[in-house]
Amino acid sequence: GIQVEQSPPDLILQEGANSTLRCNFSDSVNNLQWFHQNPWGQLINLFYIPSGTKQNGRLSATTVATERYSLLYISSSQTTDSGVYFCAVVADSGYALNFGKGTSLLVTP
Amino acid sequence: EAQVTQNPRYLITVTGKKLTVTCSQNMNHEYMSWYRQDPGLGLRQIYYSMNVEATDKGDVPEGYKVSRKEKRNFPLILESPSPNQTSLYFCASSLVGTLNTEAFFGQGTRLTVV
Repeated sequence: GIQVEQSPPDLILQEGANSTLRCNFSDSVNNLQWFHQNPWGQLINLFYIPSGTKQNGRLSATTVATERYSLLYISSSQTTDSGVYFCAVVADSGYALNFGKGTSLLVTP
Repeated sequence: EAQVTQNPRYLITVTGKKLTVTCSQNMNHEYMSWYRQDPGLGLRQIYYSMNVEATDKGDVPEGYKVSRKEKRNFPLILESPSPNQTSLYFCASSLVGTLNTEAFFGQGTRLTVV
């Protein structure tokens, strides 16, 4: 099956810092999403981005499908950004979201 | 508000006592699916449904049943729960069955089987 690798696995930032999270995938995809799992366990949709670039406030994402990677940028981080960030992809002709292991982010005051 | 709703949010039960976790979406989505999340194993698909009366196994279907009698509902049934089914469960839905549209997740159900 398709492999999804996220880096770094853990990240500690001071409030106000910027960060870049990476997602590499092993095969062509027809869906790529970024999620934030908050401390209560809820999966929050950040971006649906099978290709191209999107921005939403302090967050932005870029997917280069031909090179099989996606990046999530967090600018001016806040303590509420803490949690685990997941990248998930659907392989062409697949029927499941395949999740990476996530990046655990802690933003300190 | 467009959403996927799971119930209950938290459940503690005993081994062997049948239970159902409900999932409902109000977005007229064709595709629905169940995942479980476990430490070290990540999120894994249990079952999925491409449309009414069309269900199929995911990666970890053993010990679970599902049904899709109506488009909006996709319940997960544990006929005889065991402690290894203790997990965080998520229901998801997406507009089309090919899953090349955005998927939305419910709030999660924390199940403990003792």
